[in-house]
Amino acid sequence: EVQLVESGGGLVQPGRSLRLSCTASGFTFGDYAMSWVRQAPGKGLEWVGFIRSKAYGGTTEYAASVKGRFTISRDDSKSIAYLQMNSLKTEDTAVYYCTRGEDSSVGSPPNWFDPWGQGTLVTVSS
Amino acid sequence: DIQMTQSPSSLSASVGDRVTITCRASQSISSYLNWYQQKPGKAPKLLIYAASSLQSGVPSRFSGSGSGTDFTLTISSLQPEDFATYYCQQSYSTSVSFGQGTKVEIK
Repeated sequence: EVQLVESGGGLVQPGRSLRLSCTASGFTFGDYAMSWVRQAPGKGLEWVGFIRSKAYGGTTEYAASVKGRFTISRDDSKSIAYLQMNSLKTEDTAVYYCTRGEDSSVGSPPNWFDPWGQGTLVTVSS
Repeated sequence: DIQMTQSPSSLSASVGDRVTITCRASQSISSYLNWYQQKPGKAPKLLIYAASSLQSGVPSRFSGSGSGTDFTLTISSLQPEDFATYYCQQSYSTSVSFGQGTKVEIK
């Protein structure tokens, strides 16, 4: 069974850092792109960023709202994707979902996102 | 960036009704359009990919159509378990974007 499990969420003060992990199982992790999507309380889905598989360059793309503050990385040997979040703001408060993406072509985003993890809540507050 | 606009934002329908949700892109995205279902407190689930392909395991009452800028998600006969919020998402641009969501309530 394909499974994604996020961890690392919690309460953090504005300006501080937090690292989320997404542990995958049930598929060949290195063959897929991995993406992070967040959802603020009572709001819709907001794409955060993704990292392509190494076969497609292993490069990253980010939403404008997090570019320069967030970094996505991957450890294919451990089947884990990471989201390093620096300089956190109160507006970063959300449930953060990890999701698998199918790479389409070099330079393009994943075709679609499936499956999704259960999410981990990040609360940025003083 | 490509903006995705869904309509309506919410709707109320009866079991057995045919329900249609539309999604419009601010520029042409060919068929790079996906639909997700999210139930309260749960993660989103992929329903339709590439505008009209049904994801494995998804009931056949769900269907998608469209290309270019205008897309539709149709539920042919609404069931009680279809109470959820539905999101469209474009995968044409590297700056991925979602619609704002359509909440479907059961009358």
